[in-house]
Amino acid sequence: QQQVKQSPQSLIVQKGGISIINCAYENTAFDYFPWYQQFPGKGPALLIAIRPDVSEKKEGRFTISFNKSAKQFSLHIMDSQPGDSATYFCAASIANFGNEKLTFGTGTRLTIIP
Amino acid sequence: DVKVTQSSRYLVKRTGEKVFLECVQDMDHENMFWYRQDPGLGLRLIYFSYDVKMKEKGDIPEGYSVSREKKERFSLILESASTNQTSMYLCASSSPSSGQETQYFGPGTRLLVL
Repeated sequence: QQQVKQSPQSLIVQKGGISIINCAYENTAFDYFPWYQQFPGKGPALLIAIRPDVSEKKEGRFTISFNKSAKQFSLHIMDSQPGDSATYFCAASIANFGNEKLTFGTGTRLTIIP
Repeated sequence: DVKVTQSSRYLVKRTGEKVFLECVQDMDHENMFWYRQDPGLGLRLIYFSYDVKMKEKGDIPEGYSVSREKKERFSLILESASTNQTSMYLCASSSPSSGQETQYFGPGTRLLVL
């Protein structure tokens, strides 16, 4: 049972463009929504995260938009650069007194072309 | 600097062999996790541990077991490897007691079962 659905599976964006990756979740108890970035040969690393009390969070060129009523959240990468080429995973978890488990989306392979 | 290390980057094993994957973190984290990563399926949780000698099943525990005898070390065991266990295995750790839910990942072990 996939609780976090991610799209698209792959994405090609021109340098300087905006990359947008979308995720939808089913469990309304989720209260933490991180995005992880993974480069080839490396493990995933936290990129940015949001909690449902805000609708948007921005860190540099990366923005999470969160729509609680639609149960959707998305990652926007502004001014996309070749160095942003990586696989991106959305995830969600429920606060559980230190036993939080992340449920990951299926991943998006982003390629930024010159 | 946060560091999660995995004992091998690549492993080739035969069907039926017992396989040990080791993970060590140097951050005094309480929680440790084992995931497998497969194309199109994202990261799926196999087992996690929130304390020494404590373990909980994740989403796909069948065919796997774990051991956590020391806080810094979390081992994944394939009792009798099968070809459908060919995958990338990722270890992660986190420290919810520090107020962070960030999971820190190792570089992964790519396991091929022949």
